Amino acid sequence: GAGVSQTPSNKVTEKGKYVELRCDPISGHTALYWYRQSLGQGPEFLIYFQGTGAADDSGLPNDRFFAVRPEGSVSTLKIQRTERGDSAVYLCASSLNRGRTDTQYFGPGTRLTVL
Amino acid sequence: SQQGEEDPQALSIQEGENATMNCSYKTSINNLQWYRQNSGRGLVHLILIRSNEREKHSGRLRVTLDTSKKSSSLLITASRAADTASYFCATDDYIQGAQKLVFGQGTRLTINP
Repeated sequence: GAGVSQTPSNKVTEKGKYVELRCDPISGHTALYWYRQSLGQGPEFLIYFQGTGAADDSGLPNDRFFAVRPEGSVSTLKIQRTERGDSAVYLCASSLNRGRTDTQYFGPGTRLTVL
Repeated sequence: SQQGEEDPQALSIQEGENATMNCSYKTSINNLQWYRQNSGRGLVHLILIRSNEREKHSGRLRVTLDTSKKSSSLLITASRAADTASYFCATDDYIQGAQKLVFGQGTRLTINP
């Protein structure tokens, strides 16, 4: 079956611009996660959705970052007034959310470069 | 902030040899997972070990967990060129029903033919 997909695979933008990153989770997965990975580092948690609601957004670095999941499936991560420090690979993951031993399945990521 | 550290940061071995990577973490956990990442993109789930387990096997992979030392190891036996990748351990921060994963910095493994 289809895995988690993310679009675009690469995004180059200029400082100050607005970007949207899209995640299509595995069908039937109710939990959706966004992570950010800087070069040479492990992924860092940004936000978690259970259904349509953001259950935990404690990892969002500041109010320029926002994410939505209006129908409980596809999610969009939105970044306003991008800064060079936002350059990273943005990873999305989904899971069935069956409890404490749930496996998260990751997409290929979107590589964001802010010039 | 990241939970733990992998050791070594980089490892280069010959094909056919065994590769061992270690992970240390800081807080109590429910489970620990290992992931593989090729070329800095998507992560592939390898194995999950629960906090009440000490060892787990999956094919050529062997994972151990020592909760008293807050450490885990991943052993890959009979390595192949295709095993070249970065390997991350991830612990769970289970809050509000969310299994938020906290990753280490990873070990970059290179298998030389």
